[in-house]
Amino acid sequence: QVQVVESGGGVVQPGRSLRLSCAASGFTFSSYAMHWVRQAPGKGLEWVSAISYDGSNEYYVDSVKGRFTISRDNSKSTLFLQMNSLRAEDTAVYYCVRENTRRFDPWGQGTLVTVSS
Amino acid sequence: DIQMTQSPSSVSASVGDRVTITCRASQGISSWLAWYQQKPGKAPKLLIYAASSLQSGVPSRFSGSGSGTDFTLTISSLQPDDFATYYCQQGNSFPFTFGQGTKLEIK
Repeated sequence: QVQVVESGGGVVQPGRSLRLSCAASGFTFSSYAMHWVRQAPGKGLEWVSAISYDGSNEYYVDSVKGRFTISRDNSKSTLFLQMNSLRAEDTAVYYCVRENTRRFDPWGQGTLVTVSS
Repeated sequence: DIQMTQSPSSVSASVGDRVTITCRASQGISSWLAWYQQKPGKAPKLLIYAASSLQSGVPSRFSGSGSGTDFTLTISSLQPDDFATYYCQQGNSFPFTFGQGTKLEIK
């Protein structure tokens, strides 16, 4: 069964850091680009970041450039998102998604990040 | 960045109705367009990819069309399970962007 499972969310104060993880199973992780997509409470979907299948290329939405870092460990089929200098506007459910030729499937259940003092 | 604009933002319809949702890209994206369905408290689910290809397991009442800048998602005969929010997403270039969503409600 192809699936991804996120973890690492929680409540964090503004300016602090958090690291999200995503464990993949049921497919050859090292063959696929992976992405993070977030959804603020009551809002729409926002693409955040992507990493190529081998980790050689990274992409970010402007609002997180210089603060977030995406990485992967293909030996452990795990995707990461290091989030530094967190802001209130980063509060959202963060989804890990596999990219299959420009589309996202499957989606994890999401992990909630709340930035609040 | 490519902007994706969906219309309408919300629509009320009845079981059995035919519903069409439109998505317009601010520049050409070929056929790199996907549609997702999201229900409250759940992750989005892929319905359509490459503008018109039906994802495995998705009912055939869902269909997609378009290329370039204008795309549509059509539900031919609404079922109770279809009431949800729908998003389009372009995969032509980074940053991959989503439409703002269309909420399909029961009339």
